[in-house]
Amino acid sequence: DVKVTQSSRYLVKRTGEKVFLECVQDMDHENMFWYRQDPGLGLRLIYFSYDVKMKEKGDIPEGYSVSREKKERFSLILESASTNQTSMYLCASSPNTGDYQPQHFGDGTRLSIL
Amino acid sequence: DQQVKQNSPSLSVQEGRISILNCDYTNSMFDYFLWYKKYPAEGPTFLISISSIKDKNEDGRFTVFLNKSAKHLSLHIVPSQPGDSAVYFCAASANFGNEKLTFGTGTRLTIIP
Repeated sequence: DVKVTQSSRYLVKRTGEKVFLECVQDMDHENMFWYRQDPGLGLRLIYFSYDVKMKEKGDIPEGYSVSREKKERFSLILESASTNQTSMYLCASSPNTGDYQPQHFGDGTRLSIL
Repeated sequence: DQQVKQNSPSLSVQEGRISILNCDYTNSMFDYFLWYKKYPAEGPTFLISISSIKDKNEDGRFTVFLNKSAKHLSLHIVPSQPGDSAVYFCAASANFGNEKLTFGTGTRLTIIP
């Protein structure tokens, strides 16, 4: 069974801090994704990666960066946290098999920026 | 610009009856559609999908219908069970799923025992 693990379930940080959210998957998936979920807005894609060292901007990349140094790990970085980045953050992964494979999600990190 | 819309934020259905969740999209490039289900404090889980070459896909109690001309899809759950109470997200992709997913805003389904 696919396991996507996000390092923290809840996180509280202060405005201006640099924040790291970590995600690890154990199924050797090529594709990894970071979303945020906000009430009334659904899931919005922040960044994604199709391979190690590769990254692509999603729909709302401003204020975020990512790092993928190893295939199993995809990190989301808030360079200087702001209150409007308070949200639920979801990581997902999927294999690149040629035909479509659904994304598998972690349980999320609820981040509060004070 | 919301390219995938779920206009009903919530829906309540009696146990045993049919639940119908709706989704509309505006981007004609979308050709692959999915439904995800999300319980509180858990990540979304994949439920069912449909390609634009079909107009119906069925998996047990779950059926997804696609009307390409109306740019509309729906998820039917029958019979509805208490464990179906969750938030349901519709998602769409281009290039038969090889492009990124665009999600709708979600519909909270409550099954009344």
